[in-house]
Amino acid sequence: DAGITQSPRHKVTETGTPVTLRCHQTENHRYMYWYRQDPGHGLRLIHYSYGVKDTDKGEVSDGYSVSRSKTEDFLLTLESATSSQTSVYFCAISDIRDRGLYGYTFGSGTRLTVV
Amino acid sequence: DAKTTQPNSMESNEEEPVHLPCNHSTISGTDYIHWYRQLPSQGPEYVIHGLTSNVNNRMASLAIAEDRKSSTLILHRATLRDAAVYYCILRVNSGNTPLVFGKGTRLSVIA
Repeated sequence: DAGITQSPRHKVTETGTPVTLRCHQTENHRYMYWYRQDPGHGLRLIHYSYGVKDTDKGEVSDGYSVSRSKTEDFLLTLESATSSQTSVYFCAISDIRDRGLYGYTFGSGTRLTVV
Repeated sequence: DAKTTQPNSMESNEEEPVHLPCNHSTISGTDYIHWYRQLPSQGPEYVIHGLTSNVNNRMASLAIAEDRKSSTLILHRATLRDAAVYYCILRVNSGNTPLVFGKGTRLSVIA
């Protein structure tokens, strides 16, 4: 999607290795989010950020950490990857617009396989 | 977030209108009704949202019941490219409460 890119698009890693996924935006949006999507579970929120260095946990945050040192980048780190973290990861951005109404724009996703 | 209920799946013929229902009987006065859709192998995309009045945009229309306990997303003329999972989500318009996705409705469009 225009304005938001995720990297890498695909990654295969071994159990126990650290992995960092990157979300980059050019929209100067304040809010950024990481979701994971698995069959049977739909989209679940991992972590989100409401400003530089301001982050909070979502529904499934165990085993994940995030960092946001500048507006445009939101990094998701798996400190020690496990097979249960095999998933498709989506980043999203949003902002406050007129009358406080705002929608999300999602990236194209990163498919992570932990073997 | 207040809960929404959608049918698991629906089917439509191409070029016919599609009405996707959503029940949200516990909706509060500050909840906005948002719709997103997810095409195969893509991230979700915003479709439409509303509070009380019906809304139209280039993608779809949103019809909201007078008591706000249900809503309907209307695709006026389904195309094969509309085949997707459609999510109905209630969103509090205070601060930045993250979107919580349910299972949605999988729409199949038949040529």
